[in-house]
Amino acid sequence: DAGVIQSPRHEVTEMGQEVTLRCKLISGHNSLFWYRQTMMRGLELLIYFNNNVPIDDSGMPEDRFSAKMPNASFSTLKIQPSEPRDSAVYFCASSLPKALNTEAFFGQGTRLTVV
Amino acid sequence: DAKTTQPPSMDCAEGRAANLPCNHSTISGNEYVYWYRQIHSQGPQYIIHGLKNNETNEMASLIITEDRKSSTLILPHATLRDTAVYYCIVYGTASKLTFGTGTRLQVTL
Repeated sequence: DAGVIQSPRHEVTEMGQEVTLRCKLISGHNSLFWYRQTMMRGLELLIYFNNNVPIDDSGMPEDRFSAKMPNASFSTLKIQPSEPRDSAVYFCASSLPKALNTEAFFGQGTRLTVV
Repeated sequence: DAKTTQPPSMDCAEGRAANLPCNHSTISGNEYVYWYRQIHSQGPQYIIHGLKNNETNEMASLIITEDRKSSTLILPHATLRDTAVYYCIVYGTASKLTFGTGTRLQVTL
């Protein structure tokens, strides 16, 4: 398996534009996590899914952020409209069911710059 | 969620063992201790995890105290490539996979 795949690796956009980040889970995994990392706030958990259902989205900063799992192997994180303070590295991670107490595998991240 | 406390930074000479401590005094009975590391700007990488017993794999050893209130990650022969931020996390079925500030390990020649 190629691991968790995120795209794009880098994104530069203008303030006010819509941004969509993509994540492909490892085959067979059914837990999905989205994180945001900045120097100031570290690695923050935004939302996590189990079996395509959002379980906890308390980390999503505001209504401009939305995440979906249209199918079991794919997820998107959308920011609309984007703002300069959204500039960060966004990671997704996937794992087997939580009850199995196994590790999460992370993608290489998407570096987002909003100008 | 149970929280962890780690020293912000540590140094280790190459070839020596790196011992990274973590306090997790509020860990609950069904929570595991997980360790991840993040090298530069890459995605976090899983290292090892355990519940009660000490664990060892090809990367590291994990020593958990009998009361489970603290643990130590041991890299037996640190190399320059082990320079990274190391995160200790307590995680179980009822808790979230949240990262603290970690320990920045610098391995030097």
